[in-house]
Amino acid sequence: NFMLTQPHSVSESPGKTVTISCTRNSGSIASYYVHWYQQRPGSLPTTVIYDDNQRPSGVPDRFSASIDISSNTASLTISGLKTEDEADYYCQSFDSNNQVFGGGTKVTVL
Amino acid sequence: EVQLLESGGGLVQPGGSLRLSCAASGFTFSSYGMSWVRQVPGKGLESVSTVSPSGEYTFYADSVKGRFTISRDMSKNTVYLQMNSLRAEDTAVYHCAKLASGRVTATLAQFFHHWGQGTLVTVSS
Repeated sequence: NFMLTQPHSVSESPGKTVTISCTRNSGSIASYYVHWYQQRPGSLPTTVIYDDNQRPSGVPDRFSASIDISSNTASLTISGLKTEDEADYYCQSFDSNNQVFGGGTKVTVL
Repeated sequence: EVQLLESGGGLVQPGGSLRLSCAASGFTFSSYGMSWVRQVPGKGLESVSTVSPSGEYTFYADSVKGRFTISRDMSKNTVYLQMNSLRAEDTAVYHCAKLASGRVTATLAQFFHHWGQGTLVTVSS
């Protein structure tokens, strides 16, 4: 099985930009779609990005994502940070046997 | 409106069994893969098990393989998780989730689109 590693936490001021990394330890990041979820305190997860870089309807374009083959890493970027973006963010991908979540990153808006 | 209603959680001793149920409504049940995802309060998400739309294919996390069994009943629009040989580390809130496809339709490639509120499983003596 593979693992997805995320930083435990990131923090930034309102209006700034944060980027959350998600590094895959086995298998190419480009071969398996990566999805991203936001989980606010006390709430269920919601999808902010699917299929590497697709935004569901209703998700603002402040949320974007990309993959870097050289580092085998997917990244979620939140620009124009708002207090409502304070939440845990999880990446998730798959292989032939499993779906796996990253450990989650707590985003704090200072 | 998609609704997923879990039931069957509770307190069970180590080595015991539980069967979780997830009653689904608001969509064509037989067209979507379904999953169970667990979360220890204050901790991260773990995909436990997934079943394909037809029920033909099932997938399990290594941590539960051989102990848990996922199934679905198309006549009742319900997905089940039979949990045997339960351990303390299985203690978590278990969420039922409906998958959705983006650019590919392979079950494991899909993302978790709708979530139920969850049912708490506590394994303790």
